[in-house]
Amino acid sequence: QQQVKQSPQSLIVQKGGISIINCAYENTAFDYFPWYQQFPGKGPALLIAIRPDVSEKKEGRFTISFNKSAKQFSLHIMDSQPGDSATYFCAASEGNTNAGKSTFGDGTTLTVKP
Amino acid sequence: EPEVTQTPSHQVTQMGQEVILRCVPISNHLYFYWYRQILGQKVEFLVSFYNNEISEKSEIFDDQFSVERPDGSNFTLKIRSTKLEDSAMYFCASSEGRTYTEAFFGQGTRLTVV
Repeated sequence: QQQVKQSPQSLIVQKGGISIINCAYENTAFDYFPWYQQFPGKGPALLIAIRPDVSEKKEGRFTISFNKSAKQFSLHIMDSQPGDSATYFCAASEGNTNAGKSTFGDGTTLTVKP
Repeated sequence: EPEVTQTPSHQVTQMGQEVILRCVPISNHLYFYWYRQILGQKVEFLVSFYNNEISEKSEIFDDQFSVERPDGSNFTLKIRSTKLEDSAMYFCASSEGRTYTEAFFGQGTRLTVV
């Protein structure tokens, strides 16, 4: 019940294309959903986060879509760039009690081809 | 820009030895975390720490592990008797608050147990 399932495991997109990564969760106590970007040799860095009181959140080229009834959320990267090539993790936590204690998905390795 | 710093970046240790991984959280942050990432696997929560005590810990965080904030700036993770399966990247993180706030991750310490 604590798992966060993430797909796909890897993704190759052409420059300018849309990258889409999907996640699903089971634990209904989760109410904070951050996405992290990780470059090789670095720690995860928060990209964007959403709470379930909204269905979508956009920051620049990055958009989170959230479907509370389906317990699913996704990251869309518009106009993908080679510099976006990294590993992306979705995560979930009980934001009202311990937002920093996140359950991570397995990660998606994104490669954006020039 | 404030950041979480971890030392050393890489530690090699003999099985059965004790290791201490060190972290300097962001100075005004009050909540501290350790995560680990076994090579090629997901990032896993180990422990959260607030007000000089553990607030939550995972099943991974058994009696071999301990955390400490020995002074006003450092936050340490000790593994008493390392096992081969403790080989992983260990990330320290900190956050300003407990609810719906971003956790900032350090760059990690790669622990190799031989």
